[in-house]
Amino acid sequence: DIQMTQSPSTLSASVGDRVTITCRASQSISSWLAWYQQKPGKAPKLLIYKASSLESGVPSRFSGSGSGTEFTLTISSLQPDDFATYYCQQYNIWTFGQGTKVEIK
Amino acid sequence: EVQLVESGGGLVQPGGSLRLSCAASGFTFSSYWMHWVRQAPGKGLVWVSRINSDGSSTSYADSVKGRFTISRDNAKNTLYLQMNSLRAEDTAVYYCARNEVSRAFDIWGQGTMVTVSS
Repeated sequence: DIQMTQSPSTLSASVGDRVTITCRASQSISSWLAWYQQKPGKAPKLLIYKASSLESGVPSRFSGSGSGTEFTLTISSLQPDDFATYYCQQYNIWTFGQGTKVEIK
Repeated sequence: EVQLVESGGGLVQPGGSLRLSCAASGFTFSSYWMHWVRQAPGKGLVWVSRINSDGSSTSYADSVKGRFTISRDNAKNTLYLQMNSLRAEDTAVYYCARNEVSRAFDIWGQGTMVTVSS
């Protein structure tokens, strides 16, 4: 089975910071990688699909990159609404990473 | 409005059964693969099961294989998850999600809580 490993597990940052979250796959998944944002008590929300395509309606400060086994989600300037947990997902067989919680520093 | 609404969660004893439903609206339900994803309290997202658009093909996580059954009724625009032989470790919020082929899980329901406890 393909394993997805995110780092870090928790990230403390301030409003305006540039934030990068990494997701590594245990084997190549081409570009079949999605990123989701989840806030407490809410369903996940799709941010990025196919590694770097921005979902409609998602602010342009979110971007994704990578292919093969290493991927990144970048928030160019962290906003108050961005404090949440982020998950990567490979969608060959739909495995999720363990999540990265972005906290207020 | 494109929407998924889950129902059927609740408290059930270990070894019991429960059937979850996910009502779809605002899109052509029969054109999409659908999935169930769960999240135990304070934990991450875990994929549970998927079904293809006409219901002819299914797959399951190893942790639920042989106990859970996914199905759909395209005439009623509804997805189901029949859960049997429930265990304490099945306690979670269960989400249904639409699978757009290239865009992964683009629409999610609000979730329904399943608690397995005596």
